[in-house]
Amino acid sequence: AQSVAQPEDQVNVAEGNPLTVKCTYSVSGNPYLFWYVQYPNRGLQFLLKYITGDNLVKGSYGFEAEFNKSQTSFHLKKPSALVSDSALYFCAVRDIYNNNDMRFGAGTRLTVKP
Amino acid sequence: KAGVTQTPRYLIKTRGQQVTLSCSPISGHRSVSWYQQTPGQGLQFLFEYFSETQRNKGNFPGRFSGRQFSNSRSEMNVSTLELGDSALYLCASSLVSRQGNNEQFFGPGTRLTVL
Repeated sequence: AQSVAQPEDQVNVAEGNPLTVKCTYSVSGNPYLFWYVQYPNRGLQFLLKYITGDNLVKGSYGFEAEFNKSQTSFHLKKPSALVSDSALYFCAVRDIYNNNDMRFGAGTRLTVKP
Repeated sequence: KAGVTQTPRYLIKTRGQQVTLSCSPISGHRSVSWYQQTPGQGLQFLFEYFSETQRNKGNFPGRFSGRQFSNSRSEMNVSTLELGDSALYLCASSLVSRQGNNEQFFGPGTRLTVL
């Protein structure tokens, strides 16, 4: 089965600094990769996805992600973090060998300090 | 366009009872998936429905069941509730279930507490 891993449970950055939330994947063939964000007591919100094409994908709220096939990574990035970016971030992959089920990573809690 | 809606938002039940949660997908979306989210287990896939048919089921006991209606609205049912069923239950809809490039749109969830 295809899967993703988020190696960091927690990421702390200062407001205004760049942020990176890491995600690695394990798939056969070409992956369909996604990033979601979850604010407290809320459902998940879609940020961006990689299907094919440019390795740098731009998404909502100034976020972007870089697909790196050789390193099997899909890290989420933002040039300048905001306190309001503090939330739980999930990386996900469509398991195309299992009915296209969405497989989520364990999540990374991002805290942006003023 | 209205988003995914889930009712109720909060629910308190006691062990042994049963519960039914409802999800209305985004208009035009025919695929509805359900997830259970807990601090310990994270997001776990329950099942997906497409055109009133269950396409796949996660690794949950038979106490967890669901259905989808002709208007794509979906319900999930949990019978004989256990304390461990306390969780946030999320519903997600997408346009077409067999297209891997479709993102899912999530509802706000139903917070179930089992006492």
